[in-house]
Parts: sequence; C-alpha cells; structure tokens
Amino acid sequence: DVKVTQSSRYLVKRTGEKVFLECVQDMDHENMFWYRQDPGLGLRLIYFSYDVKMKEKGDIPEGYSVSREKKERFSLILESASTNQTSMYLCASSWGAYSSYGYTFGSGTRLTVV
Amino acid sequence: DAKTTQPTSMDCAEGRAANLPCNHSTISGNEYVYWYRQIHSQGPQYIIHGLKNNETNEMASLIITEDRKSSTLILPHATLRDTAVYYCIVRVDGNDMRFGAGTRLTVKP
Repeated sequence: DVKVTQSSRYLVKRTGEKVFLECVQDMDHENMFWYRQDPGLGLRLIYFSYDVKMKEKGDIPEGYSVSREKKERFSLILESASTNQTSMYLCASSWGAYSSYGYTFGSGTRLTVV
Repeated sequence: DAKTTQPTSMDCAEGRAANLPCNHSTISGNEYVYWYRQIHSQGPQYIIHGLKNNETNEMASLIITEDRKSSTLILPHATLRDTAVYYCIVRVDGNDMRFGAGTRLTVKP
C-alpha cells in the first residue's frame, strides 16, 4: 500500500524553538506539499515542491521554510516556533505537474507550541 | 482555478445513497473536478475525479452536468464510516490543489 508518512503524530514545542516536520513518500512522486489545517480556515497551502531542491511558496509561507534534498523526503521547518503556528500540519504528494491524478496525504502532525 | 460552492452540512440515513452537490459555474474547459474526504483527525483521502464524463470507482460515482457547471458525488450505500467532510475541488493540471470548507456529511443510523 502506497504511503505518505509523517514522522510524528503529535508534537509539543516551546516558543522560539526550531521545529522540523518530516514527510516521506514511497511512491516516487515528483510533487510534494505542506498544508496546515485550522478550524474554520480549512486547508491552507504553505509550500510545495515539484522536484528535488525546488520549492515554491504557497498561500501562507511566512514563518516557514522547506527542504527537499531527496525526492522522497520533504521537510517543513519552523525557524522560530510561535503560538500561532499551533495547528494540524498535513503533507501530501502527487505525480508530476501534468498528471491529473490526485494527491496522497499523510495522517498529519498535530503541533502545539507553548 | 475556478471556485466551488458546497453546502455546509448534510445528513444521510445509513444504507441510503448520499448525494453531495457542488457548483463550479466558472469552470474552464481544462479543469478537472476532484473529490476528497477527510475523516476526523486524518489526512484527506482521494475519492474520484473527472473532466467531462461521469466516473465510477469502488468508492463512489461522479456525475458532471453537460455544461460542467455542477457535479454530484454519489455514495451509493452510505455507512457510518462515510461520516466525514467532503471537498469538491476544480483544478487545472499542473496547479496545486486548493481546498475549500467542504460539506460535513453525517450518516445516521
């Protein structure tokens, strides 16, 4: 069964800490995405990547950065965590840019910043 | 990508068909219609997608009107496990997927 795996299901971090959220996919997908989901706001796209070492800003990139050194791994980095970054973070992957196939999502990481 | 409009919530009796509507009146010719669902505390799950023709898979059927301005996702025999938020998205190939608020479907015994 194909998978997108997020390293942690629940995470608690302190304000100001540098936080790494890891995502790995085993489907050889070109594209990978990071979303956050908040009540009443739905899923919002933070960053995405169409290839190794490539990254594009989504709708809400402020306060975040990403790294994609290998095709299967896409990391989301909170440089200095703040309480307003408490959220559910969802990683997804998909086939190449001109494929009509949908996304496969991970189970999510619920991050609490205290 | 075109915007979509979905009802905020719907109820369905267990064992009956659940018909979830979606309006996408500004859809363009090269935009696909996608449906996802999200069960509580899980990531969204792909259900089905289509361009013009109706589509069916093991999970659901997708009916797209001839003018493509609206579509309906049909779960033929809803179960309690189908209780979820259902998202309708229109998207051009190559663009990223943008999720709206979706429809909260509650399947009742």
